[in-house]
Amino acid sequence: GAVVSQHPSWVICKSGTSVKIECRSLDFQATTMFWYRQFPKQSLMLMATSNEGSKATYEQGVEKDKFLINHASLTLSTLTVTSAHPEDSSFYICSARVSPGAPLHFGNGTRLTVT
Amino acid sequence: AQSVSQHNHHVILSEAASLELGCNYSYGGTVNLFWYVQYPGQHLQLLLKYFSGDPLVKGIKGFEAEFIKSKFSFNLRKPSVQWSDTAEYFCAVNARGSQGNLIFGKGTKLSVKP
Repeated sequence: GAVVSQHPSWVICKSGTSVKIECRSLDFQATTMFWYRQFPKQSLMLMATSNEGSKATYEQGVEKDKFLINHASLTLSTLTVTSAHPEDSSFYICSARVSPGAPLHFGNGTRLTVT
Repeated sequence: AQSVSQHNHHVILSEAASLELGCNYSYGGTVNLFWYVQYPGQHLQLLLKYFSGDPLVKGIKGFEAEFIKSKFSFNLRKPSVQWSDTAEYFCAVNARGSQGNLIFGKGTKLSVKP
């Protein structure tokens, strides 16, 4: 149980285009989803916290207009990288939980390459 | 502030050697603990996790970790490593009852020589 599906697992796009990444909780309702990014040789960094039905809370230094997060339902959150640039190439991963204090469940991540 | 420390940045072992990767966290409350692995060119994969119960947790591929609350540690172990264990390993902590901000260590790169 408690499966989080992230799609796509990898994507290559051209500079200037936008890319949408989906994060779905398959067998539970996720009131909160988190989006992370992994920089080379660093650990995952939290980008934003997404609560169903409300605006995402972004971490300091993360551009809200560039990384659009939508959490329209209890089973789906999306991260859209707008006007992608090569420096946005990274590994993005989401996690989800049923409620505060509940265990987090991770998607398998998305490898984004911007050419 | 919460933090997670992984003591070794890069560990090099020969096949069949035993492995122990250190992980310490700083948080006074109850935590959930994780070890993740990222094989070269692949995605992050959960190795094992501890939420409650038996502090000795067994994961996939022969890995195990022991939660020692008094030491705020969750070290990862494997009795005999293989070349295929070459990867980067991340320890992570999630404070229960919080907003769920998962704190990761900086990772330990494991290189296993055949």
